[in-house]
Amino acid sequence: ELKVEQNPLFLSMQEGKNYTIYCNYSTTSDRLYWYRQDPGKSLESLFVLLSNGAVKQEGRLMASLDTKARLSTLHITAAVHDLSATYFCAVEPNAGGTSYGKLTFGQGTILTVHP
Amino acid sequence: EPEVTQTPSHQVTQMGQEVILRCVPISNHLYFYWYRQILGQKVEFLVSFYNNEISEKSEIFDDQFSVERPDGSNFTLKIRSTKLEDSAMYFCASSEYAVSSGNTIYFGEGSWLTVV
Repeated sequence: ELKVEQNPLFLSMQEGKNYTIYCNYSTTSDRLYWYRQDPGKSLESLFVLLSNGAVKQEGRLMASLDTKARLSTLHITAAVHDLSATYFCAVEPNAGGTSYGKLTFGQGTILTVHP
Repeated sequence: EPEVTQTPSHQVTQMGQEVILRCVPISNHLYFYWYRQILGQKVEFLVSFYNNEISEKSEIFDDQFSVERPDGSNFTLKIRSTKLEDSAMYFCASSEYAVSSGNTIYFGEGSWLTVV
């Protein structure tokens, strides 16, 4: 059974600071997704990482994937209040066939950015 | 920007009643999914659907659940006899391709189901 673990689960940051959210998973996969969720809202796609060493950046967020370590990171640079949300990583197994889109989500990291 | 739309946004139902949650996936997408999120918990996969049939389903998706694409645009999730533990936010999602080169799965706003 694929397990996906995020840490930390709660992150309180000051504006302007940097921090990293970690996502570990238990089985072979080279397809990893990061989503953002605001309270009561849907899941907004942030990044799709599809190969070992993939790095993607959008604004103050940068995501990377190390498939050998089964680890993805989401790095936040110079945090601002608008980044406050819950961040999920999700892993799609390499089983192929019918497993496309069968994402296993981490527990989510609740990020609060304060002045 | 195209989006996945879901109705209703919130439904309250009595235990044992049947519920149908509706979704309109993005128009050129071929793969459809239902996920759920119990309050305060992680998002869980329920079922995937392609070419008018279920591709894969989780252990949660038992005989009480069914999915259907009744016409060219709607995708529905039916819960035949709701239980208290079915209370959750149900997300519909869709993707254009199964091949994962740049595949993005788009989620709808969710339907919040409360079983009383």
